[in-house]
Amino acid sequence: KNQVEQSPQSLIILEGKNCTLQCNYTVSPFSNLRWYKQDTGRGPVSLTIMTFSENTKSNGRYTATLDADTKQSSLHITASQLSDSASYICVVSTGGANNLFFGTGTRLTVIP
Amino acid sequence: DTEVTQTPKHLVMGMTNKKSLKCEQHMGHRAMYWYKQKAKKPPELMFVYSYEKLSINESVPSRFSPECPNSSLLNLHLHALQPEDSALYLCASSQDSSGGDTGELFFGEGSRLTVL
Repeated sequence: KNQVEQSPQSLIILEGKNCTLQCNYTVSPFSNLRWYKQDTGRGPVSLTIMTFSENTKSNGRYTATLDADTKQSSLHITASQLSDSASYICVVSTGGANNLFFGTGTRLTVIP
Repeated sequence: DTEVTQTPKHLVMGMTNKKSLKCEQHMGHRAMYWYKQKAKKPPELMFVYSYEKLSINESVPSRFSPECPNSSLLNLHLHALQPEDSALYLCASSQDSSGGDTGELFFGEGSRLTVL
């Protein structure tokens, strides 16, 4: 069964600290893995897309890693800011934008 | 311009009303999507239009009726909805819906629908 699991479900950290979010998947065949940031009541915004051959990809203070052998990905946020408070969704594609499997997300809250 | 624009941002309707949600993109994308998202849940795919033709309908009730007037516009017509249909409705677009590209998806801000 194609599934995407994220952990933790929620996370509270102090402003300026780093954190890492996890994503495990059983989706097959694998095409690519995306991380999205979604502010409450807004549409998701793409942070990174990684294909099979990419191990690490950065977007500013966000760094995603992918281990296609163990079917795990992580999103590392450096020097967190209050504006990082959002849900982070891991999405795995079997090919194309109409074959996506969504994780349930990690709700991150950054406090002063 | 990399925006997907949705209107209205908020909509309150009764169960007997007829209303429409609208979505527009000017990125030259040939695939457009409607997603439904309940609170604290991931988005659920409803419809996919590819080259202005409906290619996927994920068993959505007929009270939701999609329409793609042209490659830049996507509508979702609503009629006789139920309170449980209250949700955030997200429109998205991508260059293509097939496996020929990474299929990066661009989402709109969403339309928050409340059915009374």
